[in-house]
Amino acid sequence: DAGVTQSPTHLIKTRGQQVTLRCSPKSGHDTVSWYQQALGQGPQFIFQYYEEEERQRGNFPDRFSGHQFPNYSSELNVNALLLGDSALYLCASSSHPAWGSSYEQYFGPGTRLTVT
Amino acid sequence: DAKTTQPPSMDCAEGRAANLPCNHSTISGNEYVYWYRQIHSQGPQYIIHGLKNNETNEMASLIITEDRKSSTLILPHATLRDTAVYYCIVDYNFNKFYFGSGTKLNVKP
Repeated sequence: DAGVTQSPTHLIKTRGQQVTLRCSPKSGHDTVSWYQQALGQGPQFIFQYYEEEERQRGNFPDRFSGHQFPNYSSELNVNALLLGDSALYLCASSSHPAWGSSYEQYFGPGTRLTVT
Repeated sequence: DAKTTQPPSMDCAEGRAANLPCNHSTISGNEYVYWYRQIHSQGPQYIIHGLKNNETNEMASLIITEDRKSSTLILPHATLRDTAVYYCIVDYNFNKFYFGSGTKLNVKP
């Protein structure tokens, strides 16, 4: 059973460009969350998708957008790239948490984005 | 903002138990405590989670104090491969995890 997969592994872009990162959740999971991890820091929550809709969002500008497909896979899009967007982008999947319950998230290996 | 406080680093001798503390004094009644670790900027790896009771699995044990304001992750026999950054996360927001800076555990031979 494949876990969470992400593509590409590494990516180099120029300031002002746009980028799309992809994520396939672990089998049986329907919820996908995206995180940004700058060098030396802990991951920061970007947003979460469930039932093809953005359900929760962290403190990130509108340049960051996403999409979830009927097969639960997801894309993260970043427009007008800045140097500060250079980071490891992590995708995590889980079953959709219900009230009063908890579910562990499984993380993918990440996509390393470098903006020059 | 992260709701937890962890020491920035700890050392542990190989083969000994590693005890990683976490303070979450503002935890609310329905929030779970999760522990993850991250090795060399790989994706974080789930270790264990709990609500009130102590928990144990094949990787670790989680001890939560009775008032739930702090917890300890125990790796019973640390190996060199346990060297990583360990994150303690408190969550009841549908897995909208807030990571702090974590504890860098150095397991030494």
